Amino acid sequence: NAGVTQTPKFQVLKTGQSMTLQCAQDMNHEYMSWYRQDPGMGLRLIHYSVGAGITDQGEVPNGYNVSRSTTEDFPLRLLSAAPSQTSVYFCASSSTGLAGQETQYFGPGTRLLVL
Amino acid sequence: SQQGEEDPQALSIQEGENATMNCSYKTSINNLQWYRQNSGRGLVHLILIRSNEREKHSGRLRVTLDTSKKSSSLLITASRAADTASYFCATGSYGNNRLAFGKGNQVVVIP
Repeated sequence: NAGVTQTPKFQVLKTGQSMTLQCAQDMNHEYMSWYRQDPGMGLRLIHYSVGAGITDQGEVPNGYNVSRSTTEDFPLRLLSAAPSQTSVYFCASSSTGLAGQETQYFGPGTRLLVL
Repeated sequence: SQQGEEDPQALSIQEGENATMNCSYKTSINNLQWYRQNSGRGLVHLILIRSNEREKHSGRLRVTLDTSKKSSSLLITASRAADTASYFCATGSYGNNRLAFGKGNQVVVIP
């Protein structure tokens, strides 16, 4: 199993551009989520999904969209990038929808710089 | 929302010494988890302790949980240079489908 994969590894955007961060898992996990990690802030939850077709907002959802059309994939879309979205983005998954009760498996991260 | 907070924020120790990190939280939890993050990498799960457990071991790791004080500690015994990383605690609560992460402890093990 590849586990949780993320692409791209690095990305530079100009303010106002849009892009999609890809996340895929091959563990047949129900739950998938996106976090952003900023210095001194820990990890903050952006959006999550408890199964295909179901998504919900986390702590910091503004400026991001998600969809979950398959169990395997959970892309994160930046609609109009802003410098405040410069961060490292992590995708994570867990077996069931009860993510607060079980181990999370993390991808390697995407480093995003918005100029 | 509840959130783990680790203390101390940064720790520098000699190889072979023990490293202890603490985490406090504010509300009732179902479980508390510790994760490790090596520089430039994703988080890796280390250990999960449930609210009805007081202590758990995994190799050189020992985690304690005191629900009355709303705190947990992670002890790494006989540290190695490879233990150099950031360590995060995360809490989950009943009926909640998310984990709340603390800000992390940076540990540097000097060979």
